[in-house]
Amino acid sequence: AQSVTQLGSHVSVSEGALVLLRCNYSSSVPPYLFWYVQYPNQGLQLLLKYTTGATLVKGINGFEAEFKKSETSFHLTKPSAHMSDAAEYFCAVSDILTGGGNKLTFGTGTQLKVEL
Amino acid sequence: GAGVSQSPSNKVTEKGKDVELRCDPISGHTALYWYRQRLGQGLEFLIYFQGNSAPDKSGLPSDRFSAERTGESVSTLTIQRTQQEDSAVYLCASSLVAGSGNTIYFGEGSWLTVV
Repeated sequence: AQSVTQLGSHVSVSEGALVLLRCNYSSSVPPYLFWYVQYPNQGLQLLLKYTTGATLVKGINGFEAEFKKSETSFHLTKPSAHMSDAAEYFCAVSDILTGGGNKLTFGTGTQLKVEL
Repeated sequence: GAGVSQSPSNKVTEKGKDVELRCDPISGHTALYWYRQRLGQGLEFLIYFQGNSAPDKSGLPSDRFSAERTGESVSTLTIQRTQQEDSAVYLCASSLVAGSGNTIYFGEGSWLTVV
């Protein structure tokens, strides 16, 4: 079964600093990987996803993530944090369900705080 | 509609009562999912629909939980004889078709509190 580990339940950065949110996965097959963001009192919004092809994936709001098979990692980065980036971030790996559906297995989330 | 719509957005119920949570997926999306998010935890998969059938119910925590989907559109998640541990955000999601690489779009959730 697939699993995801997010290191650090809380990360705090200064505005303008690099954002690095860590995600490691376990998968017996080539994975599809996702990052979602959840703003307070809102649903999950897809930031980016890796399926096949280029291992560096660019998403919305200046975020990007790199799939590294040798390290089983899919860390999320942004060169310069903005106050509006404060939210909870979830890494997820996709698995095939009976019937062909797409089951996402989520990490426990990382709360990002951006300070002035 | 433009996005996945869920109702009610908030529900407070007494222990032992039944509750129904409704999900309207994005128009045309054939795959529909229910997840649960407990406070401070990640999301747990509950059930998946392809059209009106549910080929995977493996995540339903007990027989008090059930779900149905009609018209390949609206889905209802029912929790019978609610318990305090059922308190959580219930998130519905949909995707255009089933398949590992397809983007899943989430609603804003139904916040359930059992008192």
